[in-house]
Amino acid sequence: AQSVTQLDSQVPVFEEAPVELRCNYSSSVSVYLFWYVQYPNQGLQLLLKYLSGSTLVESINGFEAEFNKSQTSFHLRKPSVHISDTAEYFCAVSDVGGTSYGKLTFGQGTILTVHP
Amino acid sequence: DTAVSQTPKYLVTQMGNDKSIKCEQNLGHDTMYWYKQDSKKFLKIMFSYNNKELIINETVPNRFSPKSPDKAHLNLHINSLELGDSAVYFCASSQDRLSGGAWETQYFGPGTRLLVL
Repeated sequence: AQSVTQLDSQVPVFEEAPVELRCNYSSSVSVYLFWYVQYPNQGLQLLLKYLSGSTLVESINGFEAEFNKSQTSFHLRKPSVHISDTAEYFCAVSDVGGTSYGKLTFGQGTILTVHP
Repeated sequence: DTAVSQTPKYLVTQMGNDKSIKCEQNLGHDTMYWYKQDSKKFLKIMFSYNNKELIINETVPNRFSPKSPDKAHLNLHINSLELGDSAVYFCASSQDRLSGGAWETQYFGPGTRLLVL
């Protein structure tokens, strides 16, 4: 069985400050890792994902996440946040191979609030 | 054009009623999903269909019945609604390959906010 833990339910930060949203997972098999973002009253959108290769993955809007296998973590970072980054962020995992057919296991979500 | 659409957006109903939520995707994807997001924002998969065939069926009361008339549509019918069914229900889709599509991006609809009184 898989599980995902997002260690912070809420993260308030000032505009242009750096931010880190923490995610740890537990799984008995290899996993793919995802970060999804949910803006108010909208569905989830993929922010970035780790499948294989370089452990550092980046999104087009300046977020990055690093896969750390030994610590079973996939923390999300941004060096300088904007007001528009205010949203809820979900970490998720899915099994590599098998017949999971894309089943995602989500963390509890972290609400990022960027203050001016 | 909306990639994944859901109707209705809001649904307020009484306990015991039967209701349906419709989902359509115009992305040409093979796989569709239903998720439930509870009041604490915890998101959990309910069902998944691949080319109209049920492939994931989590521990969900049998009052919930998904129906896929074609691979572009996955509807959710709920019988005898209970207070605990109040939640936001998200439909999603992804492109799968024969070996399984765990790496594929899932595209989510805007959600249906269900309130059972």
